[in-house]
Amino acid sequence: GENVGLHLPTLSVQEGDNSIINCAYSNSASDYFIWYKQESGKGPQFIIDIRSNMDKRQGQRVTVLLNKTVKHLSLQIAATQPGDSAVYFCADSGNTPLVFGKGTRLSVIA
Amino acid sequence: DGGITQSPKYLFRKEGQNVTLSCEQNLNHDAMYWYRQDPGQGLRLIYYSQIVNDFQKGDIAEGYSVSREKKESFPLTVTSAQKNPTAFYLCASSSRAGGDHYGYTFGSGTRLTVV
Repeated sequence: GENVGLHLPTLSVQEGDNSIINCAYSNSASDYFIWYKQESGKGPQFIIDIRSNMDKRQGQRVTVLLNKTVKHLSLQIAATQPGDSAVYFCADSGNTPLVFGKGTRLSVIA
Repeated sequence: DGGITQSPKYLFRKEGQNVTLSCEQNLNHDAMYWYRQDPGQGLRLIYYSQIVNDFQKGDIAEGYSVSREKKESFPLTVTSAQKNPTAFYLCASSSRAGGDHYGYTFGSGTRLTVV
């Protein structure tokens, strides 16, 4: 199957700083990508998505960047807050069903 | 409000028992999925169904069974053949219309523990 992976398993960020979470994918035919946030003991929640005809998409405090040349995806969180502490997954919706990586745990230091 | 509901939130199983986890959605989604999550791990696909009365095995289907008799419901049975069932189980649903992709909506999960 196709691989969707994450570069870093854990990330610690000072409150107020920006966070960057990275993701690599291997299916060059993928055309839709999603980021999810999973808080402890809960199901993953949709954060933001991006289609392959875009390089960048912004939401509220979050930005997703897509580099199709190197098959890399990143999630940027501005002014990280304690409530941002969670595990973040990227997923490739080019295939059905979604394939998830192990995720990156973001810890916010107050 | 539309959503996807998993029950129970916590479930305890004795060794040798079968247990069934419930998943119901009122989003009118065609597809439904079951994932297993172990501590510090990602989501692994157990079974999925893209249409009523049809389902496919995922990566770790052994020891599990499902049914899809109604669009709204996709229950998962953990059988006694599953030797290590203690995990967090997540159900999800999705819609795919007109060739566009849509993300998954997840339930809040069921934590299963073997006692």
